[in-house]
Amino acid sequence: DAGVIQSPRHEVTEMGQEVTLRCKPISGHNSLFWYRQTMMRGLELLIYFNNNVPIDDSGMPEDRFSAKMPNASFSTLKIQPSEPRDSAVYFCASSYSSPDTQYFGPGTRLTVL
Amino acid sequence: QKEVEQNSGPLSVPEGAIASLNCTYSDRGSQSFFWYRQYSGKSPELIMFIYSNGDKEDGRFTAQLNKASQYVSLLIRDSQPSDSATYLCAVKNSGGSNYKLTFGKGTLLTVNP
Repeated sequence: DAGVIQSPRHEVTEMGQEVTLRCKPISGHNSLFWYRQTMMRGLELLIYFNNNVPIDDSGMPEDRFSAKMPNASFSTLKIQPSEPRDSAVYFCASSYSSPDTQYFGPGTRLTVL
Repeated sequence: QKEVEQNSGPLSVPEGAIASLNCTYSDRGSQSFFWYRQYSGKSPELIMFIYSNGDKEDGRFTAQLNKASQYVSLLIRDSQPSDSATYLCAVKNSGGSNYKLTFGKGTLLTVNP
């Protein structure tokens, strides 16, 4: 299996622009997690999907952030409008049925100027 | 707010020595504990999990759990320069959010040749 796939790997944008991050989970996995990692706050869970349904979005920082999972093979995390404080590495992870073994994608390094 | 605490390091050990990484957690009901390794610029990779009090060994790695003290540790025997990475402790939440892992900020380990 190719593992969790994320795109783009790097994104540099200007404040106010819309940013869309993409994730393809491992085939057969039914749980998907979006995380954000910064030096200050470490790895934080943003949103959790189970069977394509958002279960917990309490980690989404504010209304500028939104996430969708239209099918079992694809998820997006959108930031609109982006701000410099959104600069971080965003990881997508997937697992089967439980979070015990989460497989992380390579991450997207986002820089907002 | 469930918390996981780790010494940020850096922890520096000579090649061949035992590296000891420690983690404490606040959620007394937690039942599952994980160690992830993260190389610089890469994504977290699961290396060990432990559910029961005591020790669990896997090759050069030993995870130790003491639920009464709310303490988890990871020992790396015969440390190699390739073990140099940040080690993240993660704890599965108890109760209604038991799909969620709370991560520590990680301990940076450097193994010197």
